Amino acid sequence: AQKITQTQPGMFVQEKEAVTLDCTYDTSDPSYGLFWYKQPSSGEMIFLIYQGSYDQQNATEGRYSLNFQKARKSANLVISASQLGDSAMYFCAMREDLTNAGKSTFGDGTTLTVKP
Amino acid sequence: DAMVIQNPRYQVTQFGKPVTLSCSQTLNHNVMYWYQQKSSQAPKLLFHYYDKDFNNEADTPDNFQSRRPNTSFCFLDIRSPGLGDAAMYLCATGVPSQTQYFGPGTRLLVL
Repeated sequence: AQKITQTQPGMFVQEKEAVTLDCTYDTSDPSYGLFWYKQPSSGEMIFLIYQGSYDQQNATEGRYSLNFQKARKSANLVISASQLGDSAMYFCAMREDLTNAGKSTFGDGTTLTVKP
Repeated sequence: DAMVIQNPRYQVTQFGKPVTLSCSQTLNHNVMYWYQQKSSQAPKLLFHYYDKDFNNEADTPDNFQSRRPNTSFCFLDIRSPGLGDAAMYLCATGVPSQTQYFGPGTRLLVL
C-alpha cells in the first residue's frame, strides 16, 4: 500500500484564487512529520511547509497553510491568492520515526497550473 | 548563499562510461541523501549517509555507489550507466526530525 497518496495528477486555478492540493498518508508510527515541496520546471525541490504529528495547530507559512486532519490521515496544502509563479509540481512527503535519519516517502505529485 | 550545491547541473555520458556526480553543503548537516527522479515521478531514495554510516536502499542497483569523504561532500558514482539511468539526481541534506534541504539537481543524459 502506498504510504503517501496524492489523488490529483493535475490541478488548475485562476490567478488570485485559493487552491487545495490533497494528500493522504498511511503510517502506524505515532511520531512522524509531513512536508510539502514545490518543484518548478528547473528541477529544484523547494521546501514549503512542515507539520509534525504532535503539533496541535495547523502549520502556516505565508500564503501556504496545511490542513492537518490526523484522524482522517490527511495533510492538504492550501495556497491562498495564487500567483503565476506558483505553477509547478507539488509533492507531499512523510518522514516516520523522527529521531532517526529516516528517509522521506514522497507522493506522486500534483502539477498545478495557475491561469492568468 | 547556496546551501546545497550540485555539480554539474547537466551531465552527458555515454552508455557504459562511468560518471560521478557531486554534492556539497554549507549547512553542516550530518545526513546526506541521494535521490533519483525520473520525469513526472516522485523522487526515489537511492541511499543516505548518517555521518559516516552508509545506508543503502534495498532496491538500489549495485551499479550505483556513493562516497562521503567528509561532512561537506558526497559523491554519486554510476559505474556503468545504462539508458534507463537517465534522470534527475537530487542531493539533499538534513538532520533527524527536521526537513531535508535539496540541491538544484543534476540532469543526467546517457547516449
